[in-house]
Amino acid sequence: GQNIDQPTEMTATEGAIVQINCTYQTSGFNGLFWYQQHAGEAPTFLSYNVLDGLEEKGRFSSFLSRSKGYSYLLLKELQMKDSASYLCAVGFYNQGGKLIFGQGTELSVKP
Amino acid sequence: DVKVTQSSRYLVKRTGEKVFLECVQDMDHENMFWYRQDPGLGLRLIYFSYDVKMKEKGDIPEGYSVSREKKERFSLILESASTNQTSMYLCASSTGTENHYEQYFGPGTRLTVT
Repeated sequence: GQNIDQPTEMTATEGAIVQINCTYQTSGFNGLFWYQQHAGEAPTFLSYNVLDGLEEKGRFSSFLSRSKGYSYLLLKELQMKDSASYLCAVGFYNQGGKLIFGQGTELSVKP
Repeated sequence: DVKVTQSSRYLVKRTGEKVFLECVQDMDHENMFWYRQDPGLGLRLIYFSYDVKMKEKGDIPEGYSVSREKKERFSLILESASTNQTSMYLCASSTGTENHYEQYFGPGTRLTVT
């Protein structure tokens, strides 16, 4: 199977920067995805890394290092609405596009 | 906007009942997926389909079956519901395009089996 590990919970302050890590023990995946899920809602797509390196999208950036088996999601200028669960997933394009998710990191943003 | 809809937001069924969960997407996506989400366990893949009438088992297919007769519709069937199938069920769809296969999720169905 694919072990995908994320911290269960994190707390950060409004306006700060937070980094959510994701480590995995898997191979053969095509890309790594990050999703945001607010309580009681469906997950929504945030970012996708195919190659090693940083992908920036506004206040959100995601990084992938295949050689080190890890990714992180970086959230800048935190806002209260960023309080949510953040899900890391590895993707297999050649297997019907399936994603295998980690358990998610519950982020609480405090004033 | 991609729209994925699920037939019910909340459902209560009795043990032993046959349960149908329906999912429809309007973006002509090739791939469709069913997950369940439980506290502490995250999203777990039950079944997926990459084409009409095609289906593949995910990580936890036991106790479930699926049907995909039309491209836009993917049904999850609980042949005989049990209390351990009480969960949030999420449907998703994605294109078959490499580098653009992010999944789009429906709002979820919270199923309670009593």
